[in-house]
Amino acid sequence: AQSVTQLDSQVPVFEEAPVELRCNYSSSVSVYLFWYVQYPNQGLQLLLKYLSGSTLVKGINGFEAEFNKSQTSFHLRKPSVHISDTAEYFCAADPTGGGNKLTFGTGTQLKVEL
Amino acid sequence: DTAVSQTPKYLVTQMGNDKSIKCEQNLGHDTMYWYKQDSKKFLKIMFSYNNKELIINETVPNRFSPKSPDKAHLNLHINSLELGDSAVYFCASSQNRNTGELFFGEGSRLTVL
Repeated sequence: AQSVTQLDSQVPVFEEAPVELRCNYSSSVSVYLFWYVQYPNQGLQLLLKYLSGSTLVKGINGFEAEFNKSQTSFHLRKPSVHISDTAEYFCAADPTGGGNKLTFGTGTQLKVEL
Repeated sequence: DTAVSQTPKYLVTQMGNDKSIKCEQNLGHDTMYWYKQDSKKFLKIMFSYNNKELIINETVPNRFSPKSPDKAHLNLHINSLELGDSAVYFCASSQNRNTGELFFGEGSRLTVL
């Protein structure tokens, strides 16, 4: 069975500092990977996705992620965070590419401080 | 206009009651979903419908019954509510089943007392 692991439940960081949110997946087949963001009291919003092609994927709000097949990782990065980036970030994987098999990680709370 | 809208946003009820949550999407998507987010923010799919046809039914108690009157609506009815049903329920939709991009509603927070 496929699983998604987000090792850090909380990541505090100062504004304008870089950040990396870690995600590892386990799957015996090819997998499609996603990062979603959830702002307080809102639904999830897609940040970026990897389906195929270049392993470096750029998303909205200056975020990017790198697919590393050998390490089964898909870490999310931003070179300089803002207060407005404070939110819950979810990594998700899908062996089929379709949303109906999406497995989510447990989420990482990014807290940006002044 | 809200793309995926759910009502009600908050619902507080007693054990044993029956309640419904409604969802509508105005994106013209073919596929709609219900997800449950527990108190630890863990998200798990419950149901998925494609063009009014049920395509995913995870191991959810049969007290939960989804209904899709048309492809723009997917409602969730819950019978005999239990304490463990307390959670945030998210409706979502996608253009087709092969993009992985889901559009989520704002969630309906259900509290069972």
